[in-house]
Amino acid sequence: GENVEQHPSTLSVQEGDSAVIKCTYSDSASNYFPWYKQELGKRPQLIIDIRSNVGEKKDQRIAVTLNKTAKHFSLHITETQPEDSAVYFCAASKENYGQNFVFGPGTRLSVLP
Amino acid sequence: AAGVIQSPRHLIKEKRETATLKCYPIPRHDTVYWYQQGPGQDPQFLISFYEKMQSDKGSIPDRFSAQQFSDYHSELNMSSLELGDSALYFCASSPGLSYNEQFFGPGTRLTVL
Repeated sequence: GENVEQHPSTLSVQEGDSAVIKCTYSDSASNYFPWYKQELGKRPQLIIDIRSNVGEKKDQRIAVTLNKTAKHFSLHITETQPEDSAVYFCAASKENYGQNFVFGPGTRLSVLP
Repeated sequence: AAGVIQSPRHLIKEKRETATLKCYPIPRHDTVYWYQQGPGQDPQFLISFYEKMQSDKGSIPDRFSAQQFSDYHSELNMSSLELGDSALYFCASSPGLSYNEQFFGPGTRLTVL
């Protein structure tokens, strides 16, 4: 089955700096890769996703890159703000009806003012 | 916009009791997923339903069962509760057509004493 690894487990950056979180996956059939942000005790919220037919996607300060050959994808947050502090989860899935996500273990991002 | 609704939001049970968690997907979403998230853990997939049929099964204990009803809401039934069942239980829904974005509900926090 699919296995998703995520690094680093914790990340502290100064406000205004960039943050990068990296994930690798094992199943070459996976083709949908979402990123979720989760604040303490709250629901995971989708912040950006990418499908395997695309190498990069950007939404304002957030971007995701995908390398299908190497089976890794990364989240890039630029101009970080204190409200970006949260746990970020990457996930991998095969697009099909009812295909579940396999989540990475999460990265706790702290943005220091 | 309407979101996924879960009830109850908090539930306290004794060991060996039963619990029922309910999930109401976003209107016109026909796919429902259940996840269990322990403290400091990533969400672990339990089970999913598409068009009222089980579509995928993860690490769901035999003591748990679930179903999706004709109105697409889903219920997770948990019996012989154990201390280790204490967790956040998330339901997510998806349009279930050609893409796989999952939108999470607010979660049910189950505490087993």
